[in-house]
Amino acid sequence: GESVGLHLPTLSVQEGDNSIINCAYSNSASDYFIWYKQESGKGPQFIIDIRSNMDKRQGQRVTVLLNKTVKHLSLQIAATQPGDSAVYFCAAPSSYKLIFGSGTRLLVRP
Amino acid sequence: GAGVSQSPRYKVAKRGQDVALRCDPISGHVSLFWYQQALGQGPEFLTYFQNEAQLDKSGLPSDRFFAERPEGSVSTLKIQRTQQEDSAVYLCASSASSSGELFFGEGSRLTVL
Repeated sequence: GESVGLHLPTLSVQEGDNSIINCAYSNSASDYFIWYKQESGKGPQFIIDIRSNMDKRQGQRVTVLLNKTVKHLSLQIAATQPGDSAVYFCAAPSSYKLIFGSGTRLLVRP
Repeated sequence: GAGVSQSPRYKVAKRGQDVALRCDPISGHVSLFWYQQALGQGPEFLTYFQNEAQLDKSGLPSDRFFAERPEGSVSTLKIQRTQQEDSAVYLCASSASSSGELFFGEGSRLTVL
């Protein structure tokens, strides 16, 4: 089955800097990945997704990179803002279920 | 409302008590999921409904956990004889199809004393 994991439990960045959150996965057959943001006291919220036929996908201030060779993906947040403070999860579907990593807490310093 | 609604938001139970957690999915969403999120961890799958049919309950930790969705809309997760290890946030999510985007509720935080 699939397993996903995140590299760092906590990431602290200065407001305005770029943030990079990493994730590794185990199943080379996985073809779809999703990043979620979870603010305190709320449920996970979809940020961006990527399919395995792509290496990169961009959204508003966010970019996801997928390296299938080393089974690694990253979420890049440009010009990090206080409102970006949250826990970020990568997730991969296993059939209809989502398998989540353990999350990285992003702290934004003023 | 437009989103997934869960109640209660917070529940404190004494060990051994039964609890019931409710989920109102987005109207018209066929698929409904329950996830359990322990402190500091990612959500873990509990069970999946398509309409009123419970197609997968493989993630339920024990036979003390029971979920239903009798009319294919509102769902209830029931935990009997709660134990301290049941303390977690229970997340409900719905989607228009089994492979569609998942929308999560804010969760029900259960604390078992």
